[in-house]
Amino acid sequence: GEDVEQSLFLSVREGDSSVINCTYTDSSSTYLYWYKQEPGAGLQLLTYIFSNMDMKQDQRLTVLLNKKDKHLSLRIADTQTGDSAIYFCAETEGTGRRALTFGSGTRLQVQP
Amino acid sequence: SQTIHQWPATLVQPVGSPLSLECTVEGTSNPNLYWYRQAAGRGLQLLFYSVGIGQISSEVPQNLSASRPQDRQFILSSKKLLLSDSGFYLCALRTSGTDTQYFGPGTRLTVL
Repeated sequence: GEDVEQSLFLSVREGDSSVINCTYTDSSSTYLYWYKQEPGAGLQLLTYIFSNMDMKQDQRLTVLLNKKDKHLSLRIADTQTGDSAIYFCAETEGTGRRALTFGSGTRLQVQP
Repeated sequence: SQTIHQWPATLVQPVGSPLSLECTVEGTSNPNLYWYRQAAGRGLQLLFYSVGIGQISSEVPQNLSASRPQDRQFILSSKKLLLSDSGFYLCALRTSGTDTQYFGPGTRLTVL
């Protein structure tokens, strides 16, 4: 079955880089996503990567994909207090419904 | 651009009472619509999926049901709520032919 795993918590100082890691199991996933959830809010799509790519950079965000190890990471450069949130890794399942399978989320705490 | 509305934003209901949560979308036609539930401190679980009017797939056996009376309206219902139905309910849409899902602001349901 499908399973997505993430570490639960990460604490960094403002200005440092944050790296949030994720492992997944469904090798048929075509896209992998990172969503951000602020307290009491819905999920905001941050970025995504197509499965045939190794890296994608979007301003302060860098996504690395190791398809062999089924490992995905999100690097946030120059982390700010506004980056404090829960970050979810998700993969698209390989069926027609294209539902997302989510990890349990990593809570990022940015200390001033 | 696509917009997802969810109503109400928060809801407190007694055990055994009925439930109706509404999701409406704008800026797209014939979207694929999803209901997810997020339990406290957990990732998201897919509840229902719809490819069109009157077409609902139930993913998890439970006392909840869903309906899609119009192309851009998706309703989550229950005849009798359980304590375990408490959670954060998120509606999402995916445009046909794409893989990316966008989420609404969510409804926080507390069953007492």
